[in-house]
Amino acid sequence: QITLKESGPTLVKPTQTLTLTCTFSGFSLSTSGVGVGWIRQPPGKALEWLALIYWDDDKRYSPSLKSRLTITKDTSKNQVVLTMTNMDPVDTATYYCAHRSMFPILDIFDYWGQGTLVTVSS
Amino acid sequence: DIQLTQSPSFLSASVGDRVTITCRASQGISSYLAWYQQKPGKAPKLLIYAASTLQSGVPSRFSGSGSGTEFTLTISSLQPEDFATYYCQQLNSYPRFGGGTKVEIK
Repeated sequence: QITLKESGPTLVKPTQTLTLTCTFSGFSLSTSGVGVGWIRQPPGKALEWLALIYWDDDKRYSPSLKSRLTITKDTSKNQVVLTMTNMDPVDTATYYCAHRSMFPILDIFDYWGQGTLVTVSS
Repeated sequence: DIQLTQSPSFLSASVGDRVTITCRASQGISSYLAWYQQKPGKAPKLLIYAASTLQSGVPSRFSGSGSGTEFTLTISSLQPEDFATYYCQQLNSYPRFGGGTKVEIK
């Protein structure tokens, strides 16, 4: 079955760079159509899509955060890494990684990790 | 940049009620809309995609309709486990979520 799990720091200081890792199982990012996305949710607020990486290494980013985000994949390790530069307290949120639907093949998310809360504070 | 507006943002309902949530897109998005359910402290769960197709395993009391700019999620008979927050997501250009609708017990 498909599982995903996020890992990374729980606390970062303002201006620092956040690096989050999504480790998954049950699928391969080398299979045509497969993708993994990152979505975040500030406490008590709505979901916000951040980035998506596809099997062919195509990448898409939220226009409002594009300059701060980098998404990469390591197919051999079954991992996707998201980096976000210049962190600010408003970036405090639960960060989720999620599997892009294959049936149908659409940019919707049918399996999610449990999420990891990242707090930005000095 | 396509905006999604959900209404209401909060609703109070009783078990057995029929509940309808609306999601409006600022531009036409055909049927490129999905709905998710999120319970406190949990990750979202995909309910409906392509505006009206039920995800496998989702109870038939959930249904979706609409196309273009106006979409609805309907729960025909609200059950205790349905009290949650619901989000729409458009996928016409890039993934984007609505502001959410919290369904609470009356």
